[in-house]
Amino acid sequence: AQSVTQLDSHVSVSEGTPVLLRCNYSSSYSPSLFWYVQHPNKGLQLLLKYTSAATLVKGINGFEAEFKKSETSFHLTKPSAHMSDAAEYFCVVSDLGGSSNTGKLIFGQGTTLQVKP
Amino acid sequence: KAGVTQTPRYLIKTRGQQVTLSCSPISGHRSVSWYQQTPGQGLQFLFEYFSETQRNKGNFPGRFSGRQFSNSRSEMNVSTLELGDSALYLCASSVDPGRPDTQYFGPGTRLTVL
Repeated sequence: AQSVTQLDSHVSVSEGTPVLLRCNYSSSYSPSLFWYVQHPNKGLQLLLKYTSAATLVKGINGFEAEFKKSETSFHLTKPSAHMSDAAEYFCVVSDLGGSSNTGKLIFGQGTTLQVKP
Repeated sequence: KAGVTQTPRYLIKTRGQQVTLSCSPISGHRSVSWYQQTPGQGLQFLFEYFSETQRNKGNFPGRFSGRQFSNSRSEMNVSTLELGDSALYLCASSVDPGRPDTQYFGPGTRLTVL
């Protein structure tokens, strides 16, 4: 079965410093992996996606993530945090490839990013 | 291109009532999925529809149901509401079930059950 584990429930950084949000996945086959962001009282916005192309994936707002099969990781990074980055971040794996061949998304528990001035 | 739209955005109901939520997918998207988001359980998959057929269902009681129309619009219904059904209900559309990389979410419907 597919699953994702976000290793930190809460991350706090100062504005202008790097961001690292950690995610490990479990998959029986080549996964599709995503990072979504959710600002307070808003819906989910796709930050970036990995679908077996380049292992370093660039997303919106300066975020990027690297797919590391040997470590089963898909960590999200950003060189310099901005106050507007404060939000909830979700690492997500697609169930596609299983017997049901469905696009069902499986979400991690989320990481709250706090950005201090 | 317009995004996924959900109506209503906010809803207040009382226990025992039923509710219907609506989702209009992005133009050209034929697959619609529904998710429930609560502080305790996080984001959980409810069901997925494609070509007016339910393709997959999450682990929710039968009080939760849905359907999809020929224009790909989808509705979900919750009968006999319970306090625990209070949540943000998110709809996502994709080109088809085999393309989760095209899946985009609507703003959600915030349901409060009193």
